[in-house]
Amino acid sequence: DQQVKQNSPSLSVQEGRISILNCDYTNSMFDYFLWYKKYPAEGPTFLISISSIKDKNEDGRFTVFLNKSAKHLSLHIVPSQPGDSAVYFCAASGRGSARQLTFGSGTQLTVLP
Amino acid sequence: ETGVTQSPTHLIKTRGQQVTLRCSSQSGHNTVSWYQQALGQGPQFIFQYYREEENGRGNFPPRFSGLQFPNYSSELNVNALELDDSALYLCASSLGLTATNEKLFFGSGTQLSVL
Repeated sequence: DQQVKQNSPSLSVQEGRISILNCDYTNSMFDYFLWYKKYPAEGPTFLISISSIKDKNEDGRFTVFLNKSAKHLSLHIVPSQPGDSAVYFCAASGRGSARQLTFGSGTQLTVLP
Repeated sequence: ETGVTQSPTHLIKTRGQQVTLRCSSQSGHNTVSWYQQALGQGPQFIFQYYREEENGRGNFPPRFSGLQFPNYSSELNVNALELDDSALYLCASSLGLTATNEKLFFGSGTQLSVL
């Protein structure tokens, strides 16, 4: 039973264009959502997060959108750069879960020069 | 550079054996979590230790156990290894227990292969 789903295993985008990565969740108890980026042979690193009381959070080139009614969030990267090529994981946590994160299966983003 | 180090980086074991994986948390971090990442999957929560006591556990059997030490180091022990235990094991450290704090720092992981 996957509570956090990333249905696109891979995405290729041209440099300078927008990358949109999508994530769906099923557990209504989730109230905090995060995106992590992972390069090969490294651990995941935190990218951006959003609380369930918001519908948008922006940090430089990265913006996360949350649609609670649809239980859907997305990560927008504008403009995309070759260094953004990595696996992106969507993760969620619920109230009182003591930082237990539930991860999606990841999306491999490739930004083509 | 997250300040979280894991050892060894790679390990090969035989089914039925026992294994100990080690993690050194970022200085001052009193919470450590362990995750298992199978090939093609996202990390899956194993358990969390806070101030040297288990503070939460995912859907993993008792043969997965852990220890946290006062010097910010920790261990993940797996007994009676099975082929499905082959995965990348990630350690993550943090300060405190607030679930909304994104300051969770991951190590690079230990790649365990069970033959």
